[in-house]
Amino acid sequence: ELKVEQNPLFLSMQEGKNYTIYCNYSTTSDRLYWYRQDPGKSLESLFVLLSNGAVKQEGRLMASLDTKARLSTLHITAAVHDLSATYFCAVESNQGGSEKLVFGKGTKLTVNP
Amino acid sequence: DTEVTQTPKHLVMGMTNKKSLKCEQHMGHRAMYWYKQKAKKPPELMFVYSYEKLSINESVPSRFSPECPNSSLLNLHLHALQPEDSALYLCASSRDRETGTSGRKKQFFGPGTRLTVL
Repeated sequence: ELKVEQNPLFLSMQEGKNYTIYCNYSTTSDRLYWYRQDPGKSLESLFVLLSNGAVKQEGRLMASLDTKARLSTLHITAAVHDLSATYFCAVESNQGGSEKLVFGKGTKLTVNP
Repeated sequence: DTEVTQTPKHLVMGMTNKKSLKCEQHMGHRAMYWYKQKAKKPPELMFVYSYEKLSINESVPSRFSPECPNSSLLNLHLHALQPEDSALYLCASSRDRETGTSGRKKQFFGPGTRLTVL
């Protein structure tokens, strides 16, 4: 059974600082996703990572994937208040010929002025 | 049209009521999903439909009954729910079982239905 672990679960940081969120998963998978969720809202897709060594960047967020280590990171550069949200990683698992996503518990990020 | 829509946005129902949640997409996606999300928890998969056929049922109680009448629509019929079923119900869609490059299986999520069972 695929297990996905994120850490930290809670992250409070100051504006302008850098930090990294980690996502480990237990079995081989071809795809890893990062989503953002604001309180009371749905999930917004941030990144899809497909292969070992993949790196994607959007604004102050950069995601990477190491399939050998079964590890993905979401790096935040020079954080701003607008990045405050919960960030989920999700790993694709094949079941019965259909793909399902298994989510980590999420990292609640609070960026303080 | 690049979005998934869900109705209603909010639903309050009693334990004896029957109600339905509706999800719609017009992106030509052939896989559709129902997730349940409790407060401060990650989404949990309930059902997957692939090409209008149920392909995954994550041991969901029978008081939840999914239906996929066509490739654009996904319903979740609710009957005799319990207060612990109160949650945000998210629908998602994706292209399914296609080879190719990035993003083809990416799931697009709807805004969700906030369900309260009294």
